[in-house]
Amino acid sequence: EDQVTQSPEALRLQEGESSSLNCSYTVSGLRGLFWYRQDPGKGPEFLFTLYSAGEEKEKERLKATLTKKESFLHITAPKPEDSATYLCAVQAGGYNKLIFGAGTRLAVHP
Amino acid sequence: SQTIHQWPATLVQPVGSPLSLECTVEGTSNPNLYWYRQAAGRGLQLLFYSVGIGQISSEVPQNLSASRPQDRQFILSSKKLLLSDSGFYLCAWSGREGQYFGPGTRLTVT
Repeated sequence: EDQVTQSPEALRLQEGESSSLNCSYTVSGLRGLFWYRQDPGKGPEFLFTLYSAGEEKEKERLKATLTKKESFLHITAPKPEDSATYLCAVQAGGYNKLIFGAGTRLAVHP
Repeated sequence: SQTIHQWPATLVQPVGSPLSLECTVEGTSNPNLYWYRQAAGRGLQLLFYSVGIGQISSEVPQNLSASRPQDRQFILSSKKLLLSDSGFYLCAWSGREGQYFGPGTRLTVT
């Protein structure tokens, strides 16, 4: 069964304290791995798509990497505005259907 | 540019009442459309997806149904709501790099 597991469930950082969020997956035939940011009460905001092991993408303080079994979202020198829930999803079947993990709640304190 | 709308933003309905949530997409044609539900503190669960007018696929057997009467309109319905139908409902369309989400509807069944 296709599955996505994110860790930790929650992470508290001081402003400027870099860290990484993990997304491990079990899927037959990965077609893409996606990262989203979700603020409370809002829809998820698209961040990155990764397609193959070794691929990396960056956006401001965020960098996503992909291996054959997991993906990491690295946050460098985070700011309080980076506080949000970060969701990971994989596309394994047709019609671009996604399977989501439960997310990591990130809180960055000044 | 593409825009996705959902309404209403919030809804409080009694058990046993009907439901109709609407989603419309602007700026694209013949998109794949998706309905998700997000329970509190949980990831997104795919409910329905549609690849065209009148074409609906259900992912989870439940009290809900979906329809796509027009190319860029997706509707989620129920004849009789259950308490377990409470949650955050999200509509999404599939773009070139991933799925893009609407602002969501918060449904509380009392």
